[in-house]
Amino acid sequence: AQSVAQPEDQVNVAEGNPLTVKCTYSVSGNPYLFWYVQYPNRGLQFLLKYITGDNLVKGSYGFEAEFNKSQTSFHLKKPSALVSDSALYFCAVRGDAYSGAGSYQLTFGKGTKLSVIP
Amino acid sequence: ETGVTQTPRHLVMGMTNKKSLKCEQHLGHNAMYWYKQSAKKPLELMFVYSLEERVENNSVPSRFSPECPNSSHLFLHLHTLQPEDSALYLCASSQDARGSTYEQYFGPGTRLTVT
Repeated sequence: AQSVAQPEDQVNVAEGNPLTVKCTYSVSGNPYLFWYVQYPNRGLQFLLKYITGDNLVKGSYGFEAEFNKSQTSFHLKKPSALVSDSALYFCAVRGDAYSGAGSYQLTFGKGTKLSVIP
Repeated sequence: ETGVTQTPRHLVMGMTNKKSLKCEQHLGHNAMYWYKQSAKKPLELMFVYSLEERVENNSVPSRFSPECPNSSHLFLHLHTLQPEDSALYLCASSQDARGSTYEQYFGPGTRLTVT
């Protein structure tokens, strides 16, 4: 079974400082990894994904994420945080190998609330 | 904004009511999904449709009944719900359900309260 862990329920960072939101995963086969953001009273918005190739993936709004196979991690980063980045961030994973029921599922973490302090 | 719309945005219903949630995607995608989002719990996948055929049903109670008349529309019919069914119900779509590399695009959700 595949799983995602976001070890921090909340991350606080000062505006202008770099931010990191952590994600580790467990999956059969090669991982396909995604980050989504959810603003209050809104659905999830796709930020970026890792499928293959360069371990550093760049996405929307200046966010990037680094895939680390040995540590099974896919941490989300941004060099300089904005107050408008305050939101709920979800990491998600799916494996590339069909393993029966549930293989279509994108497994999400519980989410990390990011608060950027002015 | 994402090309996926949901109506209504808010719904309050009694336990004996029957109501339906509607989702429409304008992205030309072939797969559509229903998710349940409850406070402090991971997103729960309820149903997956690929080309109007249900391909996944995650042991959802029968009081939730999905319908996908075409690849652009998805409904969730609700009947005799329980208070614990109160949650944000999210619809999503993607290019293909079987394609693992495709990201999903989400609607804004329907905030359901069961009284």
